[in-house]
Amino acid sequence: ILNVEQSPQSLHVQEGDSTNFTCSFPSSNFYALHWYRWETAKSPEALFVMTLNGDEKKKGRISATLNTKEGYSYLYIKGSQPEDSATYLCALSGGKLIFGQGTELSVKP
Amino acid sequence: GAGVSQSPRYKVAKRGQDVALRCDPISGHVSLFWYQQALGQGPEFLTYFQNEAQLDKSGLPSDRFFAERPEGSVSTLKIQRTQQEDSAVYLCASSRSSRDKNIQYFGAGTRLSVL
Repeated sequence: ILNVEQSPQSLHVQEGDSTNFTCSFPSSNFYALHWYRWETAKSPEALFVMTLNGDEKKKGRISATLNTKEGYSYLYIKGSQPEDSATYLCALSGGKLIFGQGTELSVKP
Repeated sequence: GAGVSQSPRYKVAKRGQDVALRCDPISGHVSLFWYQQALGQGPEFLTYFQNEAQLDKSGLPSDRFFAERPEGSVSTLKIQRTQQEDSAVYLCASSRSSRDKNIQYFGAGTRLSVL
């Protein structure tokens, strides 16, 4: 059974702080890793799909890296804003998505 | 264009009642997935359709759960004789195909509360 772990479970930061979270997964049988942002009462929004070891992706102030050999991905947010408050989910893809439990980020103005 | 639409957004059911949750995927998307998210956990896979064919139902927790997609577009997830442990957010997602790199586009979910 594939197990995807995210840490921390929750994070409270001040506006302007930079932050990062971790997604850990088994390094064998890797196909693709997805990051989603899920704001309360909205649809989960796709941020990145990453497939290659060493991949780095960036979208505005958010970036992600991937290490498939050691089985982890980092998501970074530079200069957090209150609108970044959401749950960030990572998921392994093998057709269906296997999600971690998420990191809940709260950014205080 | 329109995204994935789910209805109802909220459903309160009495224990033992049957419920039906609807998912309207993005037009032209071949693949459709259902996930269940219990409080404090990540979404968990329930079932997968490619067009009208249900190719994987390994995640359905019991035979009280049934899903269909008869014409390869709209899908319905039905839960018979609901139990309190069925309380969760039910998410539907669609994608162009089942390839691993393809993004799954999610609806906003149906929050089911069983009293």
